[in-house]
Amino acid sequence: DAGVIQSPRHEVTEMGQEVTLRCKLISGHNSLFWYRQTMMRGLELLIYFNNNVPIDDSGMPEDRFSAKMPNASFSTLKIQPSEPRDSAVYFCASSLVQTSTDTQYFGPGTRLTVL
Amino acid sequence: DQQVKQNSPSLSVQEGRISILNCDYTNSMFDYFLWYKKYPAEGPTFLISISSIKDKNEDGRFTVFLNKSAKHLSLHIVPSQPGDSAVYFCAAKRMNYGGSQGNLIFGKGTKLSVKP
Repeated sequence: DAGVIQSPRHEVTEMGQEVTLRCKLISGHNSLFWYRQTMMRGLELLIYFNNNVPIDDSGMPEDRFSAKMPNASFSTLKIQPSEPRDSAVYFCASSLVQTSTDTQYFGPGTRLTVL
Repeated sequence: DQQVKQNSPSLSVQEGRISILNCDYTNSMFDYFLWYKKYPAEGPTFLISISSIKDKNEDGRFTVFLNKSAKHLSLHIVPSQPGDSAVYFCAAKRMNYGGSQGNLIFGKGTKLSVKP
């Protein structure tokens, strides 16, 4: 299994531009999590999907952020317009929710720099 | 307000000795705790977990201890190896939260360096 796949691995953009981050879940997994890692706040959950349905988006910072799961194996996180304070490493993770102790498997992350 | 705290940003240990990484939490409703390990340019990987009904869980060189009264857990690595050098994240969650799982709440991590 290839694990969770994220693209791009690095993104440098200018303030005001739209940014789209992509994530492919591990085959057979049914839950998808988007996290953001910064020095100040550490690793924070942005949004969580179960069976393609957003369950908890309370961590999404503001309306500039949106996330979708167009199918069971793929998700996007979009920032429009981007701002320098959005610079961070964005991780997605997937899991198979069968028990309450399911393990989340993380992708390698996308390092976003907004100039 | 940080619910999961790792107060030591870094730790340096000699190869072969014990590494002890600490984690404190404030939410008494947390009942499941995990440790993740992260190498540079990679995502965190699951290492070991413990339920609140236990006070110790062991997996090879890794042991997690839970002290519920102190709201404290620790990860022991014995013996430490240079390949253990990584950032270690503590995480906690509520197993039953409104009929579903609570979200994982992570600490900010401790960078472990194991010197040969």
